[in-house]
Amino acid sequence: GENVEQHPSTLSVQEGDSAVIKCTYSDSASNYFPWYKQELGKRPQLIIDIRSNVGEKKDQRIAVTLNKTAKHFSLHITETQPEDSAVYFCAVTLSSGYALNFGKGTSLLVTP
Amino acid sequence: NAGVTQTPKFQVLKTGQSMTLQCAQDMNHNSMYWYRQDPGMGLRLIYYSASEGTTDKGEVPNGYNVSRLNKREFSLRLESAAPSQTSVYFCASSAGPPYNEQFFGPGTRLTVL
Repeated sequence: GENVEQHPSTLSVQEGDSAVIKCTYSDSASNYFPWYKQELGKRPQLIIDIRSNVGEKKDQRIAVTLNKTAKHFSLHITETQPEDSAVYFCAVTLSSGYALNFGKGTSLLVTP
Repeated sequence: NAGVTQTPKFQVLKTGQSMTLQCAQDMNHNSMYWYRQDPGMGLRLIYYSASEGTTDKGEVPNGYNVSRLNKREFSLRLESAAPSQTSVYFCASSAGPPYNEQFFGPGTRLTVL
C-alpha cells in the first residue's frame, strides 16, 4: 500500500514558536492530503487538508504546503499555544480514492 | 446532528469470544471505514465500504468481518478474539471522492485477555 513517512515523531517547542511536521509519500497518484489532530483519549479531528491542484493552504495559525514533485507535504503551526499540544497525523489517499493511509504521528508538546 | 457514533465505548473480552462493534452516522455519507489504533502505529485501515452494498479489505483485515447494514450503519465483527486485537477501534465516514474528508467516531477501547 501507500507508504507515508512522518517526521519528527516527537516535537517540543516553546509557546509562541513555530512547529513544522513533514510527511513524505510514495504514490504519485495520491491527490488528497489531510492533517488530523488527536488529543489524549479523544478521536482524530481534521484540522486542515489540501488537494493536489493546490500548493499551499492556510487557516489562521495553521498552514499546509504540498510539493507534488518531491512527494512531500508539511504542516506549519505558527504562534503555538499550550492547547496545540496533541498528536498530529498526516494522511494520503490510497489508490482506491476512498481510504486514507496515515503516518505514525507526531507528538507535539508546547511548553509555556 | 450526532455525527459518527460508536458502541460500546469500552469492552473486555476473553480469548476466543466474539463481539460486534457498532457504528452509525447521520451525515448522509456514502463511505464508511473501520480503523484500529495501536501505540506508535498510527491508524490502520481494517475494512471500508465505499457505498451501501460494498465492502473492501484494508491493510489489516485478518480476524475481522464487516457488514454495511444500510447507508447509516457499518458494523465490525470479531469472530474469535485474540490478544493481538487489543486496540482502540475507530469508525469514520465520508462523502466519498473527491470530497473525502473523513469524520471519526469517539472510538471503542477493546481489551482481549
